[in-house]
Amino acid sequence: DTGVSQNPRHKITKRGQNVTFRCDPISEHNRLYWYRQTLGQGPEFLTYFQNEAQLEKSRLLSDRFSAERPKGSFSTLEIQRTEQGDSAMYLCASSTYRGRGNTEAFFGQGTRLTVV
Amino acid sequence: GDSVTQMEGPVTLSEEAFLTINCTYTATGYPSLFWYVQYPGEGLQLLLKATKADDKGSNKGFEATYRKETTSFHLEKGSVQVSDSAVYFCALSFTGGGNKLTFGTGTQLKVEL
Repeated sequence: DTGVSQNPRHKITKRGQNVTFRCDPISEHNRLYWYRQTLGQGPEFLTYFQNEAQLEKSRLLSDRFSAERPKGSFSTLEIQRTEQGDSAMYLCASSTYRGRGNTEAFFGQGTRLTVV
Repeated sequence: GDSVTQMEGPVTLSEEAFLTINCTYTATGYPSLFWYVQYPGEGLQLLLKATKADDKGSNKGFEATYRKETTSFHLEKGSVQVSDSAVYFCALSFTGGGNKLTFGTGTQLKVEL
């Protein structure tokens, strides 16, 4: 198992363009989380899935953001009409939920988005 | 809402010095508490955790004790090494809240010879 994989590692886009990031979790993990981290700050929760169901979305997740996890495997995070304020590191994490709580969350290395 | 406050960095220490990184939290209820570490160029890794009051988490010489009375979870290590240089994040989560993590702002540690 190679851990949580995120692609691309870096993305530079022009303001107004759409971007899509992909996260491949650890294969047996049923929960998948997206976080955003800006410079000098800790990661902030965006949304999470249990299998294919999106169970919670943060208020940080504006209408321009959408996330999917078809078939409960990999996930995509799309940002439409990007703004300079969207520049950040986007982190994905996965874990297993077993009724009374999660196992340890494993993080990917993130996708760094720069909007110019 | 829930929040985590960490001491600001950067913290610069000489090798073999004693390390303390302060962390306090504000939450309704009793969360699980975590320390994550991010080494240069790598993803976040769980360092240690504690799930209830008075629990002590420990790993790689690091320790932290869940103090309900002071709502704290300070990270300590008796003798740091250059290889401990990294950014350390304190975090909390609730099982009923989907186990999503609420992080502090991180504390950068630099250990010099």
